[in-house]
Amino acid sequence: AQKVTQAQTEISVVEKEDVTLDCVYETRDTTYYLFWYKQPPSGELVFLIRRNSFDEQNEISGRYSWNFQKSTSSFNFTITASQVVDSAVYFCALSEGPRSWGKLQFGAGTQVVVTP
Amino acid sequence: ETGVTQSPTHLIKTRGQQVTLRCSSQSGHNTVSWYQQALGQGPQFIFQYYREEENGRGNFPPRFSGLQFPNYSSELNVNALELDDSALYLCASSLARRAGGKETQYFGPGTRLLVL
Repeated sequence: AQKVTQAQTEISVVEKEDVTLDCVYETRDTTYYLFWYKQPPSGELVFLIRRNSFDEQNEISGRYSWNFQKSTSSFNFTITASQVVDSAVYFCALSEGPRSWGKLQFGAGTQVVVTP
Repeated sequence: ETGVTQSPTHLIKTRGQQVTLRCSSQSGHNTVSWYQQALGQGPQFIFQYYREEENGRGNFPPRFSGLQFPNYSSELNVNALELDDSALYLCASSLARRAGGKETQYFGPGTRLLVL
């Protein structure tokens, strides 16, 4: 069964618009970690953010913000004032513990296309 | 850049052959994880090595094997290549306090393998 679901296959926006990426996860563990990674065309996965299951405080880091809601098992990610360089595939990932911390389980990814 | 390097960048093999992919961890990192990413999909966990020992394995057959060396660099070996092994192979490193630690993984640029 898919543990991480990213329902949006592709999102296209014009520069300076905001982009929100949805992520829904499934786990029975009470302690787990959630991540967002960015994959530009070069292929390298770039780490963006990480949250643990005990911290539902939503934060903003530069143009990135996230909304973590355990009640709905969602971990959404927003890019504010998008730029062309934000064009990439974005992956949400889950790390369940304590026996499987090192095993990241990824969603299928959402392609973000930002046009000038 | 994460400091994680992989070689080669691209590789073409024929069905039935064997291949070795290499990964150099970020300086100071003692844990290496390998992932397979088929076209249009999220990465799938293959296995992880912590201090030269396998520490967790995903749903991959035994013909996928690995090694981690004293300098924490790593190899992924795939025997009897099949067409479905064509994918991007990603290596990630982290600094874990113990086996299966939950520290953030930082990825390399990947090796693109094509099996004909």
